Amino acid sequence: GDSVTQMEGPVTLSEEAFLTINCTYTATGYPSLFWYVQYPGEGLQLLLKATKADDKGSNKGFEATYRKETTSFHLEKGSVQVSDSAVYFCALSTSGGSYIPTFGRGTSLIVHP
Amino acid sequence: DTAVSQTPKYLVTQMGNDKSIKCEQNLGHDTMYWYKQDSKKFLKIMFSYNNKELIINETVPNRFSPKSPDKAHLNLHINSLELGDSAVYFCASSQDSQRGGTGELFFGEGSRLTVL
Repeated sequence: GDSVTQMEGPVTLSEEAFLTINCTYTATGYPSLFWYVQYPGEGLQLLLKATKADDKGSNKGFEATYRKETTSFHLEKGSVQVSDSAVYFCALSTSGGSYIPTFGRGTSLIVHP
Repeated sequence: DTAVSQTPKYLVTQMGNDKSIKCEQNLGHDTMYWYKQDSKKFLKIMFSYNNKELIINETVPNRFSPKSPDKAHLNLHINSLELGDSAVYFCASSQDSQRGGTGELFFGEGSRLTVL
């Protein structure tokens, strides 16, 4: 079956540091890839997505590139802020009409001033 | 307008009670989901409905029963609550690929269930 593996947290950084959260996947089909963010006390919301190989998703300074050859979708940000502190989920969806989503375990990011 | 709304947001109850959580989406999506998130933030899919039909039913105790009266609503009823049911329950929806969906899920804000 499909699976998503992302690095365990928590990841603790100082403000303005560079962020990488690794994500790799296995899928039987050709999935779309996503990063979701969950701020404290809230539901998950889409951060960025990529639907085909070599696509780069970007939003709020975060980027991730769909790498089919390495089955990866690593999340990066050049300069994190305290407000980026949240839990980040890597996910994939495959479709046979309805989407069947698979989530990673989530990575907690803590950014200190 | 809230796209995916769940009620109640907080629920505190005693072991053995029965409770329900309601979910509504106003996005016109065809598929709805229920997820359970534990204290370590792990998300586990419980159920998924497409146009009122059950399409995903993971290994969940049969004390949990989803009901979809129409494609905009997916409610979760839990019988004989146990301590281990304490968690945050999220409702989500997505649009089918045939209707332009890309696999993105839209989540509600969650319902925190505490069983004492």
